[in-house]
Amino acid sequence: DVKVTQSSRYLVKRTGEKVFLECVQDMDHENMFWYRQDPGLGLRLIYFSYDVKMKEKGDIPEGYSVSREKKERFSLILESASTNQTSMYLCASSPLGAVGEKLFFGSGTQLSVL
Amino acid sequence: AQKITQTQPGMFVQEKEAVTLDCTYDTSDQSYGLFWYKQPSSGEMIFLIYQGSYDEQNATEGRYSLNFQKARKSANLVISASQLGDSAMYFCAMRGRGSQGNLIFGKGTKLSVKP
Repeated sequence: DVKVTQSSRYLVKRTGEKVFLECVQDMDHENMFWYRQDPGLGLRLIYFSYDVKMKEKGDIPEGYSVSREKKERFSLILESASTNQTSMYLCASSPLGAVGEKLFFGSGTQLSVL
Repeated sequence: AQKITQTQPGMFVQEKEAVTLDCTYDTSDQSYGLFWYKQPSSGEMIFLIYQGSYDEQNATEGRYSLNFQKARKSANLVISASQLGDSAMYFCAMRGRGSQGNLIFGKGTKLSVKP
């Protein structure tokens, strides 16, 4: 069965900490994505990557960076966590190609910044 | 710019009845895809159904069907014979040819199925 794995289901961090959210997929997908989900706002794209070492900003990249050193792994980095980054973070992957390719999602990381 | 609008923040339906979740979209692309995902309280995003802009038939997957009206730019999800396990958040999403692979999501509709 195909799988996107996020390293933590729940995470509690302090303001100012550097936070790493890890995502691994086993489907050899080219595309990987980080979304943020907030009540009433739906899912918003933070960053995505279509190849190793490639990254593109999404709609809300401020305060975040990403790293993709290997095809299967896509990391989201909060350089200095703030309380307004408390949210659910969803990683997803998909093959490169047609408009009909669906996204496969991880189970999410609920991050609380205190 | 592409946009997805879901105007129903929350809905109730009686068990075994059908329910329609609304979704309208905006895009200038001629080729695009429309998706529906379900998110139970556990948080996982479950793919339900897909409709391509050039598909002439409405998509169906078991109890799910997509009522695609291209001229009105709507892609409503119809769930027939609702079950208690259908209680969840439902997200409509789209990808256009120019969107570099990512999906643009609506704000979601929370469906509650009453016994």
